[in-house]
Amino acid sequence: DIQMTQSPSFLSASVGDRVTINCKASQNINRYLNWYQQKLGEAPKLLIYNANSLQTGIPSRFSGSGSGTDFTLTISSLQPEDVATYFCLQHNSWPYTFGAGTKLELK
Amino acid sequence: QVQLKESGPGLVQPSQTLSLTCTVSGFSLTSYNVHWVRQPPGKGLEWMGRMRYNGDTSYNSALKSRLSISRDTSKNQVFLKMNSLQTDDTGTYYCTREVDYWGQGVMVTVSS
Repeated sequence: DIQMTQSPSFLSASVGDRVTINCKASQNINRYLNWYQQKLGEAPKLLIYNANSLQTGIPSRFSGSGSGTDFTLTISSLQPEDVATYFCLQHNSWPYTFGAGTKLELK
Repeated sequence: QVQLKESGPGLVQPSQTLSLTCTVSGFSLTSYNVHWVRQPPGKGLEWMGRMRYNGDTSYNSALKSRLSISRDTSKNQVFLKMNSLQTDDTGTYYCTREVDYWGQGVMVTVSS
């Protein structure tokens, strides 16, 4: 199975900060990497698909980059409503596997 | 619009079998894959298995011996059955369409 190593596991930032979260795959996954946001008590919501495509309805402050094994989710200017846990998912090969998550809080 | 909704018992006794239903609308089960994902309380997500659009199934090898996924296309439903439940199977179970749309999830507690 492909292992997804996500970092950091915890992040504290201020409103307006630029925030980056990373995922590293144990082998090449091309661009088959998605990013999800999960707020407390809710289902995950797709933010970015296939490494850098913004899902419909998601604010443009969210962006994704990377290919192969190294990927990054960037929030260009953190907003209070962005407090959540963020997960990456590889869907290049079965079984799909998730990163362990990054819990983002306001400083 | 695309919707998925999980249903099933909230409480299951250890060693018993879990049966969950995912009822979908807004798309056809013969055109899209439906997956099952679970999340223990306060922990990360685990991909369990999938029902492909053509009726084939795939399972996470860690769960394969206990897991079965089936469907009824006439009712727009996908089913999950997992036997020999233990306390660490407690968590929220989600069905998803491919990797984009998710159901709200159903909480399952394994306890006597």
